[in-house]
Amino acid sequence: EAQVTQNPRYLITVTGKKLTVTCSQNMNHEYMSWYRQDPGLGLRQIYYSMNVEVTDKGDVPEGYKVSRKEKRNFPLILESPSPNQTSLYFCASSLRSRQGRTDTQYFGPGTRLTVL
Amino acid sequence: GDSVTQMEGPVTLSEEAFLTINCTYTATGYPSLFWYVQYPGEGLQLLLKATKADDKGSNKGFEATYRKETTSFHLEKGSVQVSDSAVYFCALLYTGGGNKLTFGTGTQLKVEL
Repeated sequence: EAQVTQNPRYLITVTGKKLTVTCSQNMNHEYMSWYRQDPGLGLRQIYYSMNVEVTDKGDVPEGYKVSRKEKRNFPLILESPSPNQTSLYFCASSLRSRQGRTDTQYFGPGTRLTVL
Repeated sequence: GDSVTQMEGPVTLSEEAFLTINCTYTATGYPSLFWYVQYPGEGLQLLLKATKADDKGSNKGFEATYRKETTSFHLEKGSVQVSDSAVYFCALLYTGGGNKLTFGTGTQLKVEL
């Protein structure tokens, strides 16, 4: 079954304790992305990757890191989490868009993070 | 920059009522437009899409038409069910070669018996 998986689904942590949220897709997609969802703000892009070893900042990258060492995995790293990073996080993947072609983005189930 | 504006929620309807959720956009060029749905406790699922002006996307009884002249992509359904209760997101994708989706803030729909 084609899917995007995220782990953990729920996480409660404390300020400053490094954490990693994993994301994996089994569709051989080049493009992967992380979003955060906050009430009244919709989804905002944190980081994205167009392919292995190619990553770039989205709209709200401060306080986050990513890596793309393998095509299927795109972990999100919070080196020193703070309470303002409490949010619902989604990973997404798709084929890399070409001019004039639109490919569906597939989303993971979400990770609800609480930073105390 | 690109942006998407959706009507504020929550929207509360009785079962079998007609649904409209408004969505307008601002974008350079000619974006593709999407509606995603998020059921309680789940991730986002693509509901429908339209890739050029006057295209109509449809799925599960929902429809939306890409109106370039009014820069709109309103979601409609003729008869909602309790199972349609969810949050609906309008989004655009610039088709110039990138993959970034720009989302609206989401509209929560509650359907009651």
